[in-house]
Amino acid sequence: QKEVEQDPGPLSVPEGAIVSLNCTYSNSAFQYFMWYRQYSRKGPELLMYTYSSGNKEDGRFTAQVDKSSKYISLFIRDSQPSDSATYLCAMHNSSASKIIFGSGTRLSIRP
Amino acid sequence: DAGVIQSPRHEVTEMGQEVTLRCKPISGHNSLFWYRQTMMRGLELLIYFNNNVPIDDSGMPEDRFSAKMPNASFSTLKIQPSEPRDSAVYFCASSLQSTQYFGPGTRLLVL
Repeated sequence: QKEVEQDPGPLSVPEGAIVSLNCTYSNSAFQYFMWYRQYSRKGPELLMYTYSSGNKEDGRFTAQVDKSSKYISLFIRDSQPSDSATYLCAMHNSSASKIIFGSGTRLSIRP
Repeated sequence: DAGVIQSPRHEVTEMGQEVTLRCKPISGHNSLFWYRQTMMRGLELLIYFNNNVPIDDSGMPEDRFSAKMPNASFSTLKIQPSEPRDSAVYFCASSLQSTQYFGPGTRLLVL
């Protein structure tokens, strides 16, 4: 079993819709949770970074962590065609530099 | 800042040839990571360095792969001999604390 599970998609939604992307994990030691966005033929770029449980909002993006369920989510409001990309969840514990990535969900926003 | 620089951006080679990938991390960053990304396996950590010292190379597939970091501003990943199954996108990333910044990647095709 992988440490981090993520549905690969693809996920296709119409412009303006609310998008929900999710990951589950098995290691209860993970404390820091991230979402990376990767455009086609580019490297991943950090989108959101949260610590422990709770919500964090940044513009149209909200990251949610539920440590009791070992479940993290990324919500995108008022989705735009420019949001079309692969979204990777990632996480690590408090002491290690090693980040574990999900396999990524490919998202397409239809105009 | 120019960000993480990788070269070459594309490499096509024949099975059995030696391949050398290069990375220049962001100035001042003290950790450097080499990843491999494929459709089947997603983003896999191969090796990472802290202050130029290899910390974890458990992700290196086999002895054909080797990585060096002779100084704080340069690292190489070498594959010798290369095989078709090594075809992938190889990313280098650097960090100062937890956030990793990725380069644009090297797209490798081994025929």
